[in-house]
Amino acid sequence: SQELEQSPQSLIVQEGKNLTINCTSSKTLYGLYWYKQKYGEGLIFLMMLQKGGEEKSHEKITAKLDEKKQQSSLHITASQPSHAGIYLCGADAVGSGNTPLVFGKGTRLSVIA
Amino acid sequence: EAQVTQNPRYLITVTGKKLTVTCSQNMNHEYMSWYRQDPGLGLRQIYYSMNVEVTDKGDVPEGYKVSRKEKRNFPLILESPSPNQTSLYFCASNRWGVQYFGPGTRLTVT
Repeated sequence: SQELEQSPQSLIVQEGKNLTINCTSSKTLYGLYWYKQKYGEGLIFLMMLQKGGEEKSHEKITAKLDEKKQQSSLHITASQPSHAGIYLCGADAVGSGNTPLVFGKGTRLSVIA
Repeated sequence: EAQVTQNPRYLITVTGKKLTVTCSQNMNHEYMSWYRQDPGLGLRQIYYSMNVEVTDKGDVPEGYKVSRKEKRNFPLILESPSPNQTSLYFCASNRWGVQYFGPGTRLTVT
């Protein structure tokens, strides 16, 4: 079965600094999804990447998909306290867009003033 | 407002007492699923349903049941809860790969 490994597991950054979170898949990536979770709450969809080389941005968050490396990265520019939370990547194991996602264990981000 | 709702949000119960966690979505999605989230283990799928009357096991189905009698509802049933089912549970509906999650149900089984 497909497994997703996220790194780092946790991250503490100073407000205003840039940061990158990586997600590496054990198998071919057909679709990669990034979610954010505030502690103990539901997951909020951030972005979906489907094609190799695809890059998407939303506000100060940019995600890229490297199909060859079976990896995705999430980059936050000029971090703010509102960026704090747990970031999870999820992958569509089959590529149908209609199956449960396999998730990484998450990266816990803290932003300090 | 498009949303997935779960009830209850918090539940403390005792071993062996049957319980049901309800899940409802108003987006007319065919696909729904249940996950549990545990520290160090991440988010793991329990059951999913591709349409009414069609359900299938996820990675950790033992001790759980589901039903899908109508498109909008997908309840999770614990017939005889045990302490190892203490967890944070999420229901989600899916359209074109994007999963929309409910707010979560924090279950404690003593």
